Amino acid sequence: ILNVEQSPQSLHVQEGDSTNFTCSFPSSNFYALHWYRWETAKSPEALFVMTLNGDEKKKGRISATLNTKEGYSYLYIKGSQPEDSATYLCAFSRGAQKLVFGQGTRLTINP
Amino acid sequence: DAGVIQSPRHEVTEMGQEVTLRCKPISGHNSLFWYRQTMMRGLELLIYFNNNVPIDDSGMPEDRFSAKMPNASFSTLKIQPSEPRDSAVYFCASSAPKLPYEQYFGPGTRLTVT
Repeated sequence: ILNVEQSPQSLHVQEGDSTNFTCSFPSSNFYALHWYRWETAKSPEALFVMTLNGDEKKKGRISATLNTKEGYSYLYIKGSQPEDSATYLCAFSRGAQKLVFGQGTRLTINP
Repeated sequence: DAGVIQSPRHEVTEMGQEVTLRCKPISGHNSLFWYRQTMMRGLELLIYFNNNVPIDDSGMPEDRFSAKMPNASFSTLKIQPSEPRDSAVYFCASSAPKLPYEQYFGPGTRLTVT
């Protein structure tokens, strides 16, 4: 059974503050790590896909890093804004098209 | 591109009735995934197809659930008979035959079984 763990489960952050959260995944037979952003009442939207150890991806104020040797990825949000409120999902794959999703980190930005 | 299309968006039915959820993947995508989202279990994969063939149905809860993909542009997820514990949001996603196999999600069908 593949286990993808995300922490914390939920997070409240003041507007303007920076934050980060973690995704842990099996380090064996790794192919790719995906991050999705999921707003309430909408469908998950892809943020990043990373495949190489040490990969860093950035999109605006959001960035992610990948450590495949120890099996973790961090997602960072700089200068949080209310529109960043969402659930952030990570998903792991071993090369096939099947993804195994974590339970998500629910982020709430307080104005 | 219209994205992944799901219908209906909302379905309310009585226990014991048959429910059919529909999905049209993005044109050119060769893999299709059915997920169920619940508060307790999060987003769980029910079944996925590759080139219209079911590859992994280990997430299908029980025999009351069945899924078909008769062609590259259409799939159904059927629940017969439905039960209140089937109430959830069901998502369909598709991915193209190229690495890193990013999945694109449809808007979901919110199913309520009373």
